[in-house]
Amino acid sequence: DQQVKQNSPSLSVQEGRISILNCDYTNSMFDYFLWYKKYPAEGPTFLISISSIKDKNEDGRFTVFLNKSAKHLSLHIVPSQPGDSAVYFCAASKETSGSRLTFGEGTQLTVNP
Amino acid sequence: EAEVAQSPRYKITEKSQAVAFWCDPISGHATLYWYRQILGQGPELLVQFQDESVVDDSQLPKDRFSAERLKGVDSTLKIQPAELGDSAMYLCASSLQGSDTQYFGPGTRLTVL
Repeated sequence: DQQVKQNSPSLSVQEGRISILNCDYTNSMFDYFLWYKKYPAEGPTFLISISSIKDKNEDGRFTVFLNKSAKHLSLHIVPSQPGDSAVYFCAASKETSGSRLTFGEGTQLTVNP
Repeated sequence: EAEVAQSPRYKITEKSQAVAFWCDPISGHATLYWYRQILGQGPELLVQFQDESVVDDSQLPKDRFSAERLKGVDSTLKIQPAELGDSAMYLCASSLQGSDTQYFGPGTRLTVL
């Protein structure tokens, strides 16, 4: 039962353009969502998060959008840089109290110079 | 910047042998998590500690896996005996009590031959 899904295993964009990574979830109890970036042979690095009471959160080049009715969130990176090339994981948790994270399968982003 | 420490970074073992992984969370983080990540998938929670107490081990294969955090600081995850299907990246993460943002260590890559 895959409660968090990232349907695109890979995405390729040109440097300077926008990268849009998508994530869908099925469990309506999820109320907190996070994006992590992972380089090979390293642990995931926290990028940005959003609570279910908001529909947008922005931090520099990174913006996360949440559409609760569609159970969909997306991560926008603009402008994309070659150093952004990594695997991006979407994660969700229920009850904002340090509970377990449920991760998607990840999307490999490649930003071409 | 404080980081989660893990050792060893890589471990190769033969099936039926015992292996152990160590994690030192960020200082002051009361919550500690062990995740397993199989190649091509997102991390999956094995066990969660709040201080020295286990709060979630529902996904831990208890016939062969054990975890402890005796003094509520660092933690050890053990597998005995190891099986071929245990080959994966084992990730440790920590968070402040009540926080949903988890910070990951670099992981231990286990290969079972």
